[in-house]
Amino acid sequence: NFMLTQPHSVSESPGKTVTISCTRSSGSIASNYVQWYQQRPGSSPTTVIYEDNQRPSGVPDRFSGSIDSSSNSASLTISGLKTEDEADYYCQSYDSSNLWVFGGGTKLTVL
Amino acid sequence: QVQLVQSGAEVKKPGASVKVSCKASGYTFTSYGISWVRQAPGQGLEWMGWISAYNGNTNYAQKLQGRVTMTTDTSTSTAYMELRSLRSDDTAVYYCARGNKWQGDYWGQGTLVTVSS
Repeated sequence: NFMLTQPHSVSESPGKTVTISCTRSSGSIASNYVQWYQQRPGSSPTTVIYEDNQRPSGVPDRFSGSIDSSSNSASLTISGLKTEDEADYYCQSYDSSNLWVFGGGTKLTVL
Repeated sequence: QVQLVQSGAEVKKPGASVKVSCKASGYTFTSYGISWVRQAPGQGLEWMGWISAYNGNTNYAQKLQGRVTMTTDTSTSTAYMELRSLRSDDTAVYYCARGNKWQGDYWGQGTLVTVSS
């Protein structure tokens, strides 16, 4: 099976843009959709991006997702950072047997 | 609105079993599946498996095969996850999430399961 590797933490100032990467260890990142989940402290995860770059209704367009085959990675970009964006972010994909794989999570600090 | 409401916290002894419920509302239950994901204290998310609410088909994480069973009751729009032979490292918050085989969209509030002698 493959692994998804995320940076342990990132930080940026309010109003700026941050990008969180998610690198797939084997197999093509484009083979299976990537989802991104936000988890604020003490709360359940919520979906911010599904199917690589789709935003659920209610998620602001400050959140965007993309994949890059050259680096075999997916990215979550958050622009116009707000303090409320401070959370853990997890990427998730699946293999050919529909077994899910999560990245280790990235702690976003907005300071 | 879509809601998934899970059962309350549980404390179990090693070797025991736990059954967590997830009651769905706000959508046609049989049109989606339910995934179960757990999170040990201070750790990341771990996928446990998925069940189709339409036909009961399941897909379990390999490390939990033989210890986990997922079921649904379409008459009450409720999904269940039973984990047997509990160990201390099963201590975690257990989440249900509505979705298809490869992603979840709406999540439950989580159920803390503590395994301790």
